[in-house]
Amino acid sequence: DAGITQSPRHKVTETGTPVTLRCHQTENHRYMYWYRQDPGHGLRLIHYSYGVKDTDKGEVSDGYSVSRSKTEDFLLTLESATSSQTSVYFCAIRTGGEWNEQFFGPGTRLTVL
Amino acid sequence: GIQVEQSPPDLILQEGANSTLRCNFSDSVNNLQWFHQNPWGQLINLFYIPSGTKQNGRLSATTVATERYSLLYISSSQTTDSGVYFCAVDNTDKLIFGTGTRLQVFP
Repeated sequence: DAGITQSPRHKVTETGTPVTLRCHQTENHRYMYWYRQDPGHGLRLIHYSYGVKDTDKGEVSDGYSVSRSKTEDFLLTLESATSSQTSVYFCAIRTGGEWNEQFFGPGTRLTVL
Repeated sequence: GIQVEQSPPDLILQEGANSTLRCNFSDSVNNLQWFHQNPWGQLINLFYIPSGTKQNGRLSATTVATERYSLLYISSSQTTDSGVYFCAVDNTDKLIFGTGTRLQVFP
C-alpha cells in the first residue's frame, strides 16, 4: 500500500473555518500529490511537491495552500473553507526512478456546511 | 493540456462475462496507469503501462503509444470487479485522469 496514511479520514466543518489535511508516507518518496475527487470530474490535481519546501500548483489550486517541511509529511490547507470544497481528497506518492508509478492514500472525506 | 477520454462510461455485466475498457489520450505520454476504485472508495493500482502489454490474472492491458490509446481487458468478471476503472496519463510529472468507466457485475 506504499505506506501512505491520511488524517483525518472524515471531517465536517463550517464555511469560513480553516482546515488542514495531513498526508504521511513512510518510504521517503520525493514526489507527493494532493487530488480532489468530485462526481463527473474524476480526480483533479490540487498541488504537488517535488521535495522539502518545493511545491507547485495543479489544475484546481485556488483556495488551497500546501506545505512540506519534512519528506514524510505533506499538508493541505483550506484557509477559509467553502461549500464548493466539499469533496474527497486523496494524497499520492510517486515512486520515481525508472518507474513513475503513483500510489494513493485512503482518502479524506470533507464536508463543508 | 492533455485530454483523456474513457469509454464506455457505464458497463453492466453478468458474472462470467468478458469486457474491454478503452482510454484515448490526446498527446504523447511518459506514464499511463489503470486504477480500480472499489465501492469503498479505495484506489487500487492495476497496471503501470506506458506501452506494450501486461497481464495480471484475469486482467490484462495493452497500450499503443503511437496511436494514443490503451485497453483494459477483464475476463470472467466477478462481482468483486465492480467499481470505477480510471485511466490516468502523465507527460509532465502530473497525472491527468479520465472520468472513468463504472462497472457493475451482477451474479
